[in-house]
Amino acid sequence: DIQMTQSPSSLSASVGDRVTITCQASQDISNYLNWYQQKPGKAPKLLIYDASNLETGVPSRFSGSGSGTDFTFTISSLQPEDIATYYCQQYDNLPPNTFGQGTRLEIK
Amino acid sequence: QVQLVESGGGLVKPGGSLRLSCAASGFTFSDYYMSWIRQAPGKGLEWVSYISSSGSTIYYADSVKGRFTISRDNAKNSLYLQMNSLRAEDTAVYYCARDGGILNYWGQGTLVTVSS
Repeated sequence: DIQMTQSPSSLSASVGDRVTITCQASQDISNYLNWYQQKPGKAPKLLIYDASNLETGVPSRFSGSGSGTDFTFTISSLQPEDIATYYCQQYDNLPPNTFGQGTRLEIK
Repeated sequence: QVQLVESGGGLVKPGGSLRLSCAASGFTFSDYYMSWIRQAPGKGLEWVSYISSSGSTIYYADSVKGRFTISRDNAKNSLYLQMNSLRAEDTAVYYCARDGGILNYWGQGTLVTVSS
């Protein structure tokens, strides 16, 4: 199975900061990498698909990049409503869908 | 709009059984793979099982293989997860999700608690 290593596991930043989360796959997954946001008590929400494509309706401050084994998720200017846990997920080699461990984002 | 609504969760004793359901609407259910994904309290996301659009292809996580059975009824636009021999470590919120590799629609989740 492909392993996804996400870092950091937690992050504290100020409103307006640029925030970056990384995800590394244990083998080449091309661009089959998605990013999700999960707020407490809610289901995950798709933000970025295929590494860099913004899901419809998602604010443009969210972006993704990368291919192969190394991927980056960025919030260009952190807003209070962005407080959540973020997960990467690969789907190059199924099964299984594999998720990263998650990054808990807090406001400083 | 696309809607997925899970039901069937609850409190069950170790060794017991439970059947989860997921009612789908707003899309052609029979065209899509579907998955169950769970999240233990305070933990991350764990894929549990998926089923192809026709039901002919099924996969399970090793942690549930032999105990859980996924199925679907395309005529009823419904997805199911039969869970047998439940263990404390199966305690989680269970989500159904439309699965094309990209999990763009999720249900609200149903909580399964395995405890004596």
